[in-house]
Order: sequence, then C-alpha cells, then structure tokens
Amino acid sequence: NTKITQSPRYLILGRANKSLECEQHLGHNAMYWYKQSAEKPPELMFLYNLKQLIRNETVPSRFIPECPDSSKLLLHISAVDPEDSAVYFCASSPHGGLSNERLFFGHGTKLSVL
Amino acid sequence: AQSVTQPDARVTVSEGASLQLRCKYSYSGTPYLFWYVQYPRQGLQLLLKYYSGDPVVQGVNGFEAEFSKSNSSFHLRKASVHWSDSAVYFCVLSARSNNRIFFGDGTQLVVKP
Repeated sequence: NTKITQSPRYLILGRANKSLECEQHLGHNAMYWYKQSAEKPPELMFLYNLKQLIRNETVPSRFIPECPDSSKLLLHISAVDPEDSAVYFCASSPHGGLSNERLFFGHGTKLSVL
Repeated sequence: AQSVTQPDARVTVSEGASLQLRCKYSYSGTPYLFWYVQYPRQGLQLLLKYYSGDPVVQGVNGFEAEFSKSNSSFHLRKASVHWSDSAVYFCVLSARSNNRIFFGDGTQLVVKP
C-alpha cells in the first residue's frame, strides 16, 4: 500500500527522542495513530479530523501527535520506555472517523526499545 | 457494553479445505461490522463490510461473511483456502452511537500445504 507511507520502517532506540512520520495520498480528512503490540489487535492512540485532534485515548504524555496538514501526521516520542516496543500504524478514513467508514492502514513503523 | 469476541486464537486448515472464522459481538443496536486481514509485516486490509440489507456480504479473494442479529455473529467463510490466505484476521465493530471502533483479538489462520 503506497497510498499511506510511513517512515521510518524500523526504529531501534535507547532512551532517546524520535518522530514517526506518515503521509496519506488519498485525500482523506481523518488520520489515526494506532499501536499494535505483539499478538494483539491495534489500539487507537489519536484521531485527527481536518487537522483537529478529536480523540485522544489514554496514552503516556511522552507521545505527542502533530498534524501539520490534513495529509500528514507525526508522532513525537520522548524518552521511550521498553513497553513502547510495538508497531505503530498510521491510518486514514475519508470523512472524519464516522462509524461506517473503513480504515486504510500504512505498513507501520516497528519500534524496538533497547 | 460494546465488544467483539473471536473465540479462536488460531485455526489450522489444509489447503483447499473450507474455512469459517467465528466472530461474536455485543452491541445493543445494529452495528457496522468489518473483517480485516493482516499479512506478516503489513498493515490491516479490508476484506469486507456489513452495513445493512442482505446479511451475506461478499468480499475480496472469495471471502464472504454472514451477519446474524439473533446470534450476534458475523462469521467469515471461504469455500476453498489457499496457502496465501495464511494471515491474522480481525473482526471489527464500529458503533453507530459514538463512532468508536472495537477490534476482536484476531484469529491466526495457518493454511497447511
């Protein structure tokens, strides 16, 4: 799926700061960050609609999202913890996270914390 | 309470055999229901969705699912599986009342040659 690109693909960190990036080329209004731990389903972290944060789940404060425009999404992580090791997926949907919308996922960024 | 249960964590079938992956949901109204597939090292991809109407919905790659309100179920089926169907399958409920999405825990499908 090249319509939602995420970078980097793999990330290995000690207790450092880093940003994950996502860009969607679908013209969608809504963008999401999901965290998927090993052998678990994805868990919603943040949802933006038209650059506005409309859903902020219970996420440690070291995760800070940013949506500079409606096609781009960033996730800034400071002082990562071993429990942050997971795959982070960016997703999008056409109209702002309505219940009848399907989600389009990127290929994910696999974060490994040393 | 809204939830999705996939009772089988892992299902193993032989290539060419038929398949059913089970999904039960808990929701007071009629939800939107989806099946997504996740191949190794990839994001989730939509297989099919149910909104209303005909309870049997067709999806990609020969998959179909049947919605049952009386049983609160949305089981996924395929008549003849291929080795390339090996993946994790997620049943997903989207609540009309609050736009929240609930994932089942997923079923790992292993297709033996």
